[in-house]
Amino acid sequence: GAGVSQSPSNKVTEKGKDVELRCDPISGHTALYWYRQSLGQGLEFLIYFQGNSAPDKSGLPSDRFSAERTGGSVSTLTIQRTQQEDSAVYLCASSWVSGPETQYFGPGTRLLVL
Amino acid sequence: KNEVEQSPQNLTAQEGEFITINCSYSVGISALHWLQQHPGGGIVSLFMLSSGKKKHGRLIATINIQEKHSSLHITASHPRDSAVYICALTTGNQFYFGTGTSLTVIP
Repeated sequence: GAGVSQSPSNKVTEKGKDVELRCDPISGHTALYWYRQSLGQGLEFLIYFQGNSAPDKSGLPSDRFSAERTGGSVSTLTIQRTQQEDSAVYLCASSWVSGPETQYFGPGTRLLVL
Repeated sequence: KNEVEQSPQNLTAQEGEFITINCSYSVGISALHWLQQHPGGGIVSLFMLSSGKKKHGRLIATINIQEKHSSLHITASHPRDSAVYICALTTGNQFYFGTGTSLTVIP
């Protein structure tokens, strides 16, 4: 079956521009997670959704970051006024429900802010 | 202070060797995950544990809740096992990640 997909796979943008990253979870998965991995760094949790709700947004690095999920499926992560330090791989994962469940990861979006 | 500590950070082994990667943590957890990240960047979830032991092929993962420690073992290691192995914790709404163990298996 289809796995988690993310688009675009690569994105190069200029400092100050807004970007939107998209995640399509596995069909039927109610939980969706966004992570970030900066070059040479470990994984960093950003936000998760159970259905369309995000119980905890404290992982988002700044108020330039926002995420939404509609229809319990596709999610978009938006970064406004991008900065060079936003350059990273943004990973999405989904699971049947939130909590202690196996997460399935997408291939990631590689964002480069020039 | 890191909630999750992995060791070793780097590991080189000869093909066929038995490999152990350790993860210690300091918070109460609902689950512990072992993830594998290949050089291309893709991440695969290997195990999700809340107690005991799980085995999948040549991979074995154990967890001791009282000692707050988990191990990932690879038996009869192979060059295709070369990857970064990441220990991750879920606890309520919080997620914590180890910095990863970079494994290289030499033929």
